[in-house]
Amino acid sequence: QVQLHESGPGLVKPSETLSLTCAVSGYSIAGGYYWGWIRQPPGKGLEWIGSIYQSGSDYYNPSLKSRVTISVDTSKNQFSLRLSSVTAADTAVYYCARAIMVRGANYFDYWGQGTLVSVSS
Amino acid sequence: EVVLTQSPGTLSLSLGERATLSCRASQSITSIYVAWYQQKRGQAPRLLVYGASSRATGIPDRFSGSASGTDFTLTISRLEREDFAMYYCQQYGSSPLTFGGGTKVEIK
Repeated sequence: QVQLHESGPGLVKPSETLSLTCAVSGYSIAGGYYWGWIRQPPGKGLEWIGSIYQSGSDYYNPSLKSRVTISVDTSKNQFSLRLSSVTAADTAVYYCARAIMVRGANYFDYWGQGTLVSVSS
Repeated sequence: EVVLTQSPGTLSLSLGERATLSCRASQSITSIYVAWYQQKRGQAPRLLVYGASSRATGIPDRFSGSASGTDFTLTISRLEREDFAMYYCQQYGSSPLTFGGGTKVEIK
């Protein structure tokens, strides 16, 4: 059974960098699949942030691309998200997920439980 | 960017009734590249349907998806108590991936 678990600070100050890690169990990241991050502001809908392959090939939502970096560490079977210059608008529940790649785009079949990150001074 | 508009915003139905959820794309996308998710309060989304009409592993057959042009539909044939939740569509026919605003299915 594939399981994903997000971890990282629950509170980040404005203008700083949000950093989260997603630990994967029950499946080796090196075995294939893309891996993605999605967020959900409180009471709102879902927004895709970006996705990465085990080789490091990545792609991002253009609305966030200038501030986002997703990386993968196959030795630790985890992948990470960094979002720079955060503002209150970045307050959200952040989910990591396994992504099925179809013709250059993803849908998501396994999700972590999500972690709330608040941006506040 | 493909904008997905879900309707209605809220669907109030009784146990055993049929639910029909709509998702309309702002432009033509490869018709099979739509997924549907269910999200309960405080939980992560769960994949229900991919490829517009293929049920994900373990999803009951009362859930079905269909497509016609830029219109996509999720149907729940007979609502059970655990089906009352939020539902989101997602397109992956083009980047960026986008989600609809959601439909809440509530008990009438």
